[in-house]
Amino acid sequence: DVQLEESGGGLVQPGGSLRLSCAASGFTFSSSAMSWVRQAPGKGLEWVSAISNNGGSTYYTDSVKGRFTISRDNSKNTLYLQMNSLRAEDTAVYYCAKVGVRGGDDYWGQGTLVTVSS
Amino acid sequence: AIQMTQSPSSLSASVGDRVTITCRASQGIRNYLGWYQQKPGKAPKLLIYAASNLQSGVPSRFSGSGSGTDFTLTISCLQPEDFATYYCLQDYNYLTFGGGTKVEIK
Repeated sequence: DVQLEESGGGLVQPGGSLRLSCAASGFTFSSSAMSWVRQAPGKGLEWVSAISNNGGSTYYTDSVKGRFTISRDNSKNTLYLQMNSLRAEDTAVYYCAKVGVRGGDDYWGQGTLVTVSS
Repeated sequence: AIQMTQSPSSLSASVGDRVTITCRASQGIRNYLGWYQQKPGKAPKLLIYAASNLQSGVPSRFSGSGSGTDFTLTISCLQPEDFATYYCLQDYNYLTFGGGTKVEIK
C-alpha cells in the first residue's frame, strides 16, 4: 500500500520556523516528482512547492519564494519543507502529494496542521 | 502564472440530479487537467486525470471533458456520497487549483 505520512506541524510564532517531513512508502519515491499543497482553514487548495525526482529542480508559488525550501532525501524516501519567516497567512493544513493529473498515479498524505500565531 | 477559473463556487442539487462544473484556464493547457473531490477533514481524491480519464475505482457516473482552455466535470446521477467540494487542477505549468465548487444538498 502507498503511504505518505507528514509530520512536523504545530504552533509557531510569527517570524518563526518549522520543518515538515513526509515519509513515503509503497511506490518508487526516487522516480517521482513531489509537491506540497496547503489549505487554509475554510479555504481552497493552494499549491506551495514542487521538486523533481532527483531534487535538481525546485519550484515555488510566489508567496513563499525566499522563505520556504523544498528538498528530498531519496535514500530515506523522505520529502521536506523548511519554512522560515512564517506569517499568519501561512496557517494551513499542509499536504505532501505525488500529483497524478497526467497519468493517474496520485497519492496524498493525511496532512499536518501549521498554525502561525502569537 | 496560469489562472484556473472554476464555476459555480457552490450549487444545491438533489440526489439523482445531473451536475456540471466547469473550469477555464487563462491559457491553453492541452489536457493537463485533473478533477478532485474533497470531503471535510480529508485529503483530496483524484476522480479524473488527463481531462477525461476516469481514475481507477471511481464510479462511472463521473466524467470529464475538454481540452485547451475549457473543461467540464459531470456527475450524471448525483448520489448521497457525492456531496463534497470539487477542484480542478492544471499541471501544464507548475500547478494551479481552481477555486472549488461546493455541492450541497437541496
